[in-house]
This record gives sequence, C-alpha cells and structure tokens, in this order.
Amino acid sequence: NAGVTQTPKFRILKIGQSMTLQCTQDMNHNYMYWYRQDPGMGLKLIYYSVGAGITDKGEVPNGYNVSRSTTEDFPLRLELAAPSQTSVYFCASSYLGPRGTEAFFGQGTRLTVV
Amino acid sequence: AQTVTQSQPEMSVQEAETVTLSCTYDTSENNYYLFWYKQPPSRQMILVIRQEAYKQQNATENRFSVNFQKAAKSFSLKISDSQLGDTAMYFCAFMVIQGAQKLVFGQGTRLTINP
Repeated sequence: NAGVTQTPKFRILKIGQSMTLQCTQDMNHNYMYWYRQDPGMGLKLIYYSVGAGITDKGEVPNGYNVSRSTTEDFPLRLELAAPSQTSVYFCASSYLGPRGTEAFFGQGTRLTVV
Repeated sequence: AQTVTQSQPEMSVQEAETVTLSCTYDTSENNYYLFWYKQPPSRQMILVIRQEAYKQQNATENRFSVNFQKAAKSFSLKISDSQLGDTAMYFCAFMVIQGAQKLVFGQGTRLTINP
C-alpha cells in the first residue's frame, strides 16, 4: 500500500541551484497536486493536473514547473532556487468515484535554500 | 475563486473536554466537498472527516462530527472527549467536484490538548 510517495524527504539547496521533487502514486488517480506549506501556515497550491498531459497553475506557480507524462508521476521542478522557496512541499492525488472523493498526501519534502 | 477561512489560529482545551473548530468558505458552486484534515508534528496529512454539500445530514466519525450550514457557508468541526493524541494542526479544505477539482485549504488552527 504505497499510496503517494515523495522523494527526497529532506534537501538543502544553494541559491541558484535547481532540483526536481519526485512524486508518484499507485492508485490510478487522475488528479494530482503540488502544495507548499510555509511555517505555521496552510497549504498553498502550486500546480495541479487533471490527467496525463494536462497541467495548470495554482495559486503560487512562480519559480516552479511541472510535467505529467504518465498517470503515476507528477514531478515538480525548481529552477534557480531562492530563499523564498524554503518550505515543506506536499504532493497529493485524488479521485472522484461512486463513494465520493478524497485526497491522499505524500509525507512531504522539507526544502531549505541557503 | 474559492476561499476557506479559519478564524481561530490557536485553541487549547483540557483532556476529555469538547472543542469546536470554526471554518467558513466562499463559493458560487453547488457541487462540492468539505474536509477536515489533521496534521500532527510528523507533518503527515490525515483525513479526519468529509462532508458532501448535497447531503443535509452532518457527517460523524467516532468522536468527530461536523456542523454543516450550507446557506451560511459554515463547516465547523466538533471533537468530543478530546484526547492528547488530538493535539495537531487542523485544516479545513474545500473541493469543487467538477472541472479541475482543486483542493483549497484554510490557514489552519493549532489545537493543543492539555493533560
């Protein structure tokens, strides 16, 4: 029962470096999301996807990019990391079925940009 | 745009007491879900309870229940017989179940259960 898996769990980046946060789900969910959570705050939507090949911007997309080549994978790319991107990042997936809907979350990636 | 507001940044109660967390939301849609998620210090996001907007009956899950007032756009969470393990951040969230199906979160309420 893997659910939503994020890697890495922790990462320290230097200003200007780039990295990709990986997210994969094994529940065949169409909908996937990336959120960031700053200390003591709620989750803000960065990007989301309604299916393979379809992505769209959320509330705070600047400085990030995503792709969705398969149903399972939804990587988040940070280009030219800045201290303002220090945060905890969550990937999530959801479904809509006869029993309703629910979102499942990964365990989060704590990213520090120094 | 959909927004979710939690007006209580922090709350603290004694073990075994009942506590109610408030949440209001704004939307022009009719077909949506509301959720309460719990985030303990491990930072795992755990679904506590969910409510379908078209159901008038309030959802309950053991010690957790909601008071869903659709006309007032209010969705409060009641925790009965609170336990030390209930200490966590609680987030109210909203999802329109058509189109993009974006999940929008409130700012959270930090709940502390004291022994």
